[in-house]
Amino acid sequence: AQSVAQPEDQVNVAEGNPLTVKCTYSVSGNPYLFWYVQYPNRGLQFLLKYITGDNLVKGSYGFEAEFNKSQTSFHLKKPSALVSDSALYFCAVGRQTGGSYIPTFGRGTSLIVHP
Amino acid sequence: KAGVTQTPRYLIKTRGQQVTLSCSPISGHRSVSWYQQTPGQGLQFLFEYFSETQRNKGNFPGRFSGRQFSNSRSEMNVSTLELGDSALYLCASSSGTSGSWQETQYFGPGTRLLVL
Repeated sequence: AQSVAQPEDQVNVAEGNPLTVKCTYSVSGNPYLFWYVQYPNRGLQFLLKYITGDNLVKGSYGFEAEFNKSQTSFHLKKPSALVSDSALYFCAVGRQTGGSYIPTFGRGTSLIVHP
Repeated sequence: KAGVTQTPRYLIKTRGQQVTLSCSPISGHRSVSWYQQTPGQGLQFLFEYFSETQRNKGNFPGRFSGRQFSNSRSEMNVSTLELGDSALYLCASSSGTSGSWQETQYFGPGTRLLVL
């Protein structure tokens, strides 16, 4: 079985400060890790993914995430937060099955960036 | 390119009824996945269709079913609706050609279903 934990329901940060949204995972085999963002009344938007390769993954809108195998973590980071980054963030881990994968999502972390 | 579209955007049904939701993927995409999002259970994978065949299925009862047409459009059906089926239903598409586990999924805006 695979699982994802986002230990913080909400993260508050001031505009201009760095932000981190935490994610830890559990999966057998190699993990396929994703971050998505959801704005109010919208579907999910892809931010970035880790399949193989460099542990530091760069994604959309200035976000990046660091894959840490020993700590089974995939924290989302941004050097300087914007008010417009305020949204719900989901971490997901995929398990390969056949030619596709089944994703498991975390419960989500609400990011609030204060002006 | 047009994004993933879902119809209808909002639905109100009563217990015991059935409902059909539609999803049109991005042009050229052959894989469509469906998800249920609720405050209590979060985001859960329902099933994935690729080239008109169900490729993967999540842990949902048989009341939840789907299909995919030759043009890759997909529908999901929920029969004998229960109050707990109230949720945002999201679909996502990807090309599906090189193994979806490598690919980015593009999500539609969702259909919000309320069961009374």
